[in-house]
Order: sequence, then C-alpha cells, then structure tokens
Amino acid sequence: DVKVTQSSRYLVKRTGEKVFLECVQDMDHENMFWYRQDPGLGLRLIYFSYDVKMKEKGDIPEGYSVSREKKERFSLILESASTNQTSMYLCASTSGGGVKTQYFGPGTRLLVL
Amino acid sequence: GQNIDQPTEMTATEGAIVQINCTYQTSGFNGLFWYQQHAGEAPTFLSYNVLDGLEEKGRFSSFLSRSKGYSYLLLKELQMKDSASYLCAVKGDNYGQNFVFGPGTRLSVLP
Repeated sequence: DVKVTQSSRYLVKRTGEKVFLECVQDMDHENMFWYRQDPGLGLRLIYFSYDVKMKEKGDIPEGYSVSREKKERFSLILESASTNQTSMYLCASTSGGGVKTQYFGPGTRLLVL
Repeated sequence: GQNIDQPTEMTATEGAIVQINCTYQTSGFNGLFWYQQHAGEAPTFLSYNVLDGLEEKGRFSSFLSRSKGYSYLLLKELQMKDSASYLCAVKGDNYGQNFVFGPGTRLSVLP
C-alpha cells in the first residue's frame, strides 16, 4: 500500500525558531511536493523536487527552503519561523512520467507563536 | 494567471444527489483531478479527467468540458461519511508535474 509519512502531526514553535518538517515516501517516487493549506486559499505549492538534490520553487517559496538528499525523503525548512507561517503543511509524492495522481501525507499542523 | 474556482460550502441531505462545480483558467492542461479530504486528514484521490465527458466510478462521477474550462463532481446516494471537503486540481504543463488546486468545497451531509 502507498504510504507517505510526515514527521509530526502537530508542532508549536516560537517566532524566529528554525523548523524542520520531514516527509518520507516508500513508493520510490521521483517527484515530491510541499504544500501549505489555508482556509479559503486551498493548497499552495511551496517547493517541489523531481529528483535527488533537485528542487524547483513553487508559488510561495519565500521564507522556506527544502532539502532532498535521498529519494525517499523531502524536508521543508523554515529558517526563521514567523506567525504568518502558521498553517497546515502537506507533503505529496508522485511517480515520474505521464499523468499520475499525487499521494499525500497526513499533514503537519504548525502553530508559530 | 492561474485560477480555479469552487463554491466554498454546500449542504445536502442523506440519500440525495449533489453536484460540485469547478471552473478553471490555467496556463496549460494535462488533466483535472478531484480529491476528497476529511477534516484533519490527507486528501485522497477520487477521479481524473483528461478528455471531455463523464467518468463514472460507483457513486461518484466526474465531468469535464475543456472548451468551457469546467468540471463537476457528482455524488449520488449521499451518505453521512461523504461529509468532507472536495478539492478540484488541474495539472498544468509548465513544470510537467505541477498541480494547481482550487480552494475546496466543504460538503455537509445532513440526516
């Protein structure tokens, strides 16, 4: 069965802290994505990666960075958390080539105080 | 720009039929997806359309008109467990794997 896991379901951090969100998929997928989901705005793409060590900016990359050192793991980093980064963060993956649906992790609800 | 519109909320009665509409304007088109998302959970895949017409899958059907930039998700014989948000997403062609999501429609099924 397809599985995408995220390191935490809930996180509370303080303004200015460095935050790491980790995502792991066990499907050998080439492509991995980080979204944030806010009420009324839907899912917005932060970054995606189509291969190890490769990354592309999405629609809202400011304030975030990513790391993909291994195929199965895609990390989202908030260098200095701010209150406007309070949100639900969803990781997704899909295999390369053709049109394929995305498989999502359970999400991390981040609160920045 | 890229834009996907859906109604914010809908309410329907158990056993009824409901249609959730989605209109889109994107820079490319490589298919339209519908996802279901229960509160606090991950979105899960429901359907995919790339050609015009109706795709039926059990109680759920999805329709696409590419010329009108329009899709709908039809849910029949509604059950309480269908209460969820329904997300419309378009796969564009600029990155090859880029998906644009609508804001989602929160459906409440009442007894």
